[in-house]
Amino acid sequence: DAGVIQSPRHEVTEMGQEVTLRCKPISGHDYLFWYRQTMMRGLELLIYFNNNVPIDDSGMPEDRFSAKMPNASFSTLKIQPSEPRDSAVYFCASSLLSGRMTDTQYFGPGTRLTVL
Amino acid sequence: AQSVTQPDIHITVSEGASLELRCNYSYGATPYLFWYVQSPGQGLQLLLKYFSGDTLVQGIKGFEAEFKRSQSSFNLRKPSVHWSDAAEYFCAVGDMEYGNKLVFGAGTILRVKS
Repeated sequence: DAGVIQSPRHEVTEMGQEVTLRCKPISGHDYLFWYRQTMMRGLELLIYFNNNVPIDDSGMPEDRFSAKMPNASFSTLKIQPSEPRDSAVYFCASSLLSGRMTDTQYFGPGTRLTVL
Repeated sequence: AQSVTQPDIHITVSEGASLELRCNYSYGATPYLFWYVQSPGQGLQLLLKYFSGDTLVQGIKGFEAEFKRSQSSFNLRKPSVHWSDAAEYFCAVGDMEYGNKLVFGAGTILRVKS
């Protein structure tokens, strides 16, 4: 398996522009997570999906952020409009829940976003 | 709410020396505990996990961790560190009450000197 795939790996944009980050989870996984990593706040869970349905979006910073999962093999995280404080590394992860056990989350390589 | 504390932001050890990274958690029920490693510019890779059973857990790359309920700790150890172990290490607790949600500690950056 190719693992979790994220694109782009790097994104540089100007304040006010729309940014779309993409994620392809591991085939067969039924959970998908979006995290943000910054020096100040560490790793934060933004939102997660189960079977393409958003379950918990309490970590989404504000209305400028939105996430979708139109099918089991694709998810997007959109920021509109972007601001310099959104600069961070954004990770996507996927996992397969086995019974009641929290199974391993597999992380993608991340997208490093810089907003000028 | 659950939380994870990694008291050491940076640790430097000599190559060949032993290593222990500390992790303390706060969680009301039986925790699901994880250690991940992140190399520069990379995503997170799972080293090991604890769900139940034997409190000493073996992981990849020669790492192990011990769950101590009385101390609310899940410290990561390695008997002999290699230069390639230099990375950032994250402890995390999984919250089954909220599905599959992980809460991460702030991370510990390991430097290895030759």
